[in-house]
Amino acid sequence: GNSVTQMEGPVTLSEEAFLTINCTYTATGYPSLFWYVQYPGEGLQLLLKATKADDKGSNKGFEATYRKETTSFHLEKGSVQVSDSAVYFCALSARQAGTALIFGKGTTLSVSS
Amino acid sequence: NAGVTQTPKFRVLKTGQSMTLLCAQDMNHEYMYWYRQDPGMGLRLIHYSVGEGTTAKGEVPDGYNVSRLKKQNFLLGLESAAPSQTSVYFCASSVTVNSGANVLTFGAGSRLTVL
Repeated sequence: GNSVTQMEGPVTLSEEAFLTINCTYTATGYPSLFWYVQYPGEGLQLLLKATKADDKGSNKGFEATYRKETTSFHLEKGSVQVSDSAVYFCALSARQAGTALIFGKGTTLSVSS
Repeated sequence: NAGVTQTPKFRVLKTGQSMTLLCAQDMNHEYMYWYRQDPGMGLRLIHYSVGEGTTAKGEVPDGYNVSRLKKQNFLLGLESAAPSQTSVYFCASSVTVNSGANVLTFGAGSRLTVL
């Protein structure tokens, strides 16, 4: 079946450090891939998405590239800020209307000044 | 634009009690979902609905029931609460964009504690 594996956290960085959160997936067909972010006490918000191989999703300085050959969708940011402290979830869905997302377990990022 | 609204935000139950969580969306989305979030487990799908009057089981449906009598509402019921159902519950609704991706919008969550 479909599944998502994320690197375990927590990830602790200093402000302006480079961030990578690894995500790999197992899926039949060609899923859509997503990163969601959850700030403390809030629901999940879509951060970025990619719908086909070699697509790059980007938002708020974060980027992730859909790599079909390595079944990966790693999240990166060149310079993190304290306000980026949150839990990050990688997710996939089959490309079919109404299909639910399958989530990884989440990675907690803590950025200190 | 309210998006997805969940009520209540917090609730404490005793084992064996029943309750209903309400999810309402004002985006005219066809699809709705209930997830639970537990430490170290990520989000797991409980039930979902692909349209008014339809529901289906997700990954962890046992102990829960759902109803979608109106397009904008999706109710999650616990008939006899158990401590294992202590969790944070998230409702989401979705629309399929031109690329074929199904983008979910989440509510703020409902924290349930069962004693």
